[in-house]
Amino acid sequence: DVVVTQTPLSLSVAPGQPASISCKSTESLLHSSGKTLLSWYLHKPGQPPQVLIYEVSNRLSGVPDRFSGSGSGTDFTLRISRVEAEDVGIYYCFQGVRLPWTFGQGTRVEIK
Amino acid sequence: QVQLVESGGGLVKPGGSLRLTCVASGFVFSDYYMSWIRQAPGGGLEVISFISERSDIIYYADTVKGRFTVSRDNAKNSLFLQMNSLRDDDTAVFYCAKHIIGDVAFDLWGQGTMVNVSS
Repeated sequence: DVVVTQTPLSLSVAPGQPASISCKSTESLLHSSGKTLLSWYLHKPGQPPQVLIYEVSNRLSGVPDRFSGSGSGTDFTLRISRVEAEDVGIYYCFQGVRLPWTFGQGTRVEIK
Repeated sequence: QVQLVESGGGLVKPGGSLRLTCVASGFVFSDYYMSWIRQAPGGGLEVISFISERSDIIYYADTVKGRFTVSRDNAKNSLFLQMNSLRDDDTAVFYCAKHIIGDVAFDLWGQGTMVNVSS
């Protein structure tokens, strides 16, 4: 199975400060279609997960532009330029290049 | 309103069965792959099954293969998960999720339904 490993597992960030989460996979996430199938999700308390970023860096419509994704191959990063209170929750990366599709173990983000 | 609404969860004894339903609205259901994703208490997210638009491509995770069956009724905008031979470790919140067209990513999730397997 493709293992995706996130670091750190938890983050405490002051409002207005940046935050960064790393996601590393055991195999390249570049699909034969030419797409890199790495996406990011935020799971807020009491809500279902919501997609933030797909194909590494494509922000879904309605997602604030303070969220950005980058990377290639096996190394990826989610950045929040200025953390806001509503950004608390658990962030997951997800690979869809090879079955079984797998999520990272999650990074808990809290506000200082 | 674009949404997915799951139902059918509950308390069941080990070895029992449940059928989950996910009703879609606000989009052309028949155009999209759909997945079932679960999260055990205190655990991570696991894609347990997906089904293509016309039901010709179906996948099951090893953890549920042979016990769970996914299906859909495009005329009724509905996705189903028949769960048999339930085990304690199937206890989880089950989400249905809509795929982004042409991608392996999920842009719409239901609110989730809790399945509790316990004697």
